[in-house]
Amino acid sequence: QSALTQPASVSGSPGQSITISCTGTTTDVGAYEYVSWYQQYPGKAPKLIIYEDVKRPSGVSNRFSGSKSGNTASLTISGLQTEDEADYSCCSYAGSSNLVFGGGTKLTVL
Amino acid sequence: QLQLQESGPGLVKPSQTLSLTCSVSGGSISSILYYWGWIRQPPGKGLEYIGSIFYSGSTYYNPSLESRITVSVDRSKNQFSLKLNSVTAADTAIYYCARLVYSFYYFDVWGKGTTVTVSS
Repeated sequence: QSALTQPASVSGSPGQSITISCTGTTTDVGAYEYVSWYQQYPGKAPKLIIYEDVKRPSGVSNRFSGSKSGNTASLTISGLQTEDEADYSCCSYAGSSNLVFGGGTKLTVL
Repeated sequence: QLQLQESGPGLVKPSQTLSLTCSVSGGSISSILYYWGWIRQPPGKGLEYIGSIFYSGSTYYNPSLESRITVSVDRSKNQFSLKLNSVTAADTAIYYCARLVYSFYYFDVWGKGTTVTVSS
């Protein structure tokens, strides 16, 4: 299966909101409510920040929110902070117990 | 709390077999709620799902890697393992083990990762 499509990079200023898209197909993102998002700092392991499209784990800031429309899932970060500068990756269930990740998006907080 | 730790050789020669183990502490691998998975990340690239295993031994593999991988579990040691054979330079990556929440398909706990380089 092909990787999900994410923009290579996005940027924003402190206090602003940004949205990262994650585009798949009718056999993955569009077929199930199982998109998850991960935040990853350089040299560190990914950390779960959104699961089941829109749910947030305990301890994750409510500035992070997930949504989905058709074959595209989105991660929105509101009230950008410098500590949000990291890589963000989406992941979707693709049927038959298979999972597919996006290529990752580098967020720069200007 | 639950912790996962990858271990294994950092350097593997081309055509040989890459072998990694993930040790689980702070919780039992024999839970009906979770699968245990492997994910990798080539240098400067995105994450790639490799495969996962249930405590009973039931496995699911990425179709693109299925012919070369074996994931196994050792409940007595609270560990699970990955073998990837016939490696090439394209298999050079950081390899992560992680807990996969069964039926909801997300990784909620990750190991720190281990770097594996394929080179002669």
